[in-house]
Amino acid sequence: GAVVSQHPSWVICKSGTSVKIECRSLDFQATTMFWYRQFPKQSLMLMATSNEGSKATYEQGVEKDKFLINHASLTLSTLTVTSAHPEDSSFYICSAREASGISSDTQYFGPGTRLTVL
Amino acid sequence: AQTVTQSQPEMSVQEAETVTLSCTYDTSESNYYLFWYKQPPSRQMILVIRQEAYKQQNATENRFSVNFQKAAKSFSLKISDSQLGDTAMYFCAFIFNTGTASKLTFGTGTRLQVTL
Repeated sequence: GAVVSQHPSWVICKSGTSVKIECRSLDFQATTMFWYRQFPKQSLMLMATSNEGSKATYEQGVEKDKFLINHASLTLSTLTVTSAHPEDSSFYICSAREASGISSDTQYFGPGTRLTVL
Repeated sequence: AQTVTQSQPEMSVQEAETVTLSCTYDTSESNYYLFWYKQPPSRQMILVIRQEAYKQQNATENRFSVNFQKAAKSFSLKISDSQLGDTAMYFCAFIFNTGTASKLTFGTGTRLQVTL
């Protein structure tokens, strides 16, 4: 149980284009999902918290107009990198937390998406 | 603000041996949760073990166990009978409530290499 999928697993795009990454909780409902960015050999950096049916909460320094987050259902959140530039190239990871239950404090992570912007 | 410190950037252990990864944290909260996550070369974050702060008993999951010292704010991970598949980056993490505003605070990670 507690499986989170991410799609695509890797994507290459041209500078100036937009890229959408999907995060799905496959066997549980997630009222809250999180988006992280990870640079090589570093820890995870939280970008934003996504709550189903409401606006995402962005961390300081993260451009909300550049990284659009939508959490339309209890099993799906999307991150859209708009007008991508080479500096947006990174590994993006989502996580989901169960809506309720004894493990509602635990985040389960997707496999990540490697974005390369040319 | 909550902080998590992992003071060992890299560690190495021989197969079948035991290794302990250290983690300390700082918080003024009394009720919180602690986690160890493993990130192998595939980069998939995998939950290794979870500890609730109000429980005095140390959590165990097969070969993985923790030494939770609440007063010292220490949460070390012991891996027994190390296997090659344990080679990974290990992150200690902390969360202090389960409301919608709560979020994980990660340490900087310890890279563990298991050798033959």
